[in-house]
Amino acid sequence: KAGVTQTPRYLIKTRGQQVTLSCSPISGHRSVSWYQQTPGQGLQFLFEYFSETQRNKGNFPGRFSGRQFSNSRSEMNVSTLELGDSALYLCASSLGGTGDPNQPQHFGDGTRLSIL
Amino acid sequence: AQKITQTQPGMFVQEKEAVTLDCTYDTSDPSYGLFWYKQPSSGEMIFLIYQGSYDQQNATEGRYSLNFQKARKSANLVISASQLGDSAMYFCAMRLLNTGNQFYFGTGTSLTVIP
Repeated sequence: KAGVTQTPRYLIKTRGQQVTLSCSPISGHRSVSWYQQTPGQGLQFLFEYFSETQRNKGNFPGRFSGRQFSNSRSEMNVSTLELGDSALYLCASSLGGTGDPNQPQHFGDGTRLSIL
Repeated sequence: AQKITQTQPGMFVQEKEAVTLDCTYDTSDPSYGLFWYKQPSSGEMIFLIYQGSYDQQNATEGRYSLNFQKARKSANLVISASQLGDSAMYFCAMRLLNTGNQFYFGTGTSLTVIP
């Protein structure tokens, strides 16, 4: 079974630009979550999508947005990039049903975004 | 409020020895899941083991076991017979039934295995 696939693996942008990151979940998984990881702030939750709807949202500015398609693939967009957006962005998928809290999330390899 | 606490920023262990990584959690929900992930320097997060709040026995997966003490709200990860490849960051996480699919992660523990 293929794992979670994130593209691209590495990305270099300049301040003010925008960026779109992609995540393909494990087949059959309907929930996709996004995290930002930096050395200073650790792992921070951005948002979670389930069945094309944003179900949970972390405490990030509106420059960070996402969407999910009918095949459960998800994209994350960051507009007007700032130096502080340099981070490892991780995507995780899970089955997504809310009746069982024992379902693990499975992560992709991440996208390393560097802002110059 | 901090839901997951990992108090050990860094740990060292001799190869072939066992090591315990601490994790405490805070919730009043009766139904939750506890998870451990490993993150090598390459960046990917690898799922290791989970424990359900209603599970009577401690979870085990190969060399990994979860020491679950519900009354103390702790879910420590025990790695037996440490190997050099175990050197990585380890994150404890919790999922609550009542918050949908949102996971709460701790700040992580950096484990270094010494040859």
